[in-house]
Amino acid sequence: DADVTQTPRNRITKTGKRIMLECSQTKGHDRMYWYRQDPGLGLRLIYYSFDVKDINKGEISDGYSVSRQAQAKFSLSLESAIPNQTALYFCATSDRVSNQPQHFGDGTRLSIL
Amino acid sequence: TQLLEQSPQFLSIQEGENLTVYCNSSSVFSSLQWYRQEPGEGPVLLVTVVTGGEVKKLKRLTFQFGDARKDSSLHITAAQPGDTGLYLCAGVRRGGSQGNLIFGKGTKLSVKP
Repeated sequence: DADVTQTPRNRITKTGKRIMLECSQTKGHDRMYWYRQDPGLGLRLIYYSFDVKDINKGEISDGYSVSRQAQAKFSLSLESAIPNQTALYFCATSDRVSNQPQHFGDGTRLSIL
Repeated sequence: TQLLEQSPQFLSIQEGENLTVYCNSSSVFSSLQWYRQEPGEGPVLLVTVVTGGEVKKLKRLTFQFGDARKDSSLHITAAQPGDTGLYLCAGVRRGGSQGNLIFGKGTKLSVKP
């Protein structure tokens, strides 16, 4: 079983819809991250959380929100999806020693029409 | 302006050749990470370098962090088809927000048998 699991793996939806991407991990890590990857732009940080009560904005948080329901779960929401949010989304985790993502999920490919 | 510039963007070589990819910045980083990403998967952390001048080896891969901590290189000896993938460097700027990892756009390596 994957250590970091993202669901769904693929999603196509329409502009204006509310979308939730889920991430769960079995690493026992405290720290979790959400990134998006766009061709030609690389990976950019959306939000990160260092523990259940901690939420921090990343470089591109506008239009997104997150919820850290438990140590193992970190979900990303798009309240009203727009086409320029079409991208590949990655969840990642790290332990307390590292401030940087060590384990990534396999991504969610999101297309907004 | 991209904070971390990776070069070359694309590299296609024959099995057995050596290669070096570069990650450069005008900013000082407290640490730099290298990841490899294969299609349909998330990035996989290869190494973290934290000390200026540091050299780390991982089998046929050699990673170096510049003395001034502004640049890094990845050298692969006797490349194999299994080395094919997108190589990403990423780092936290000195004084930057913990958890906010900045990624380069990557070097796409293709090793032909």
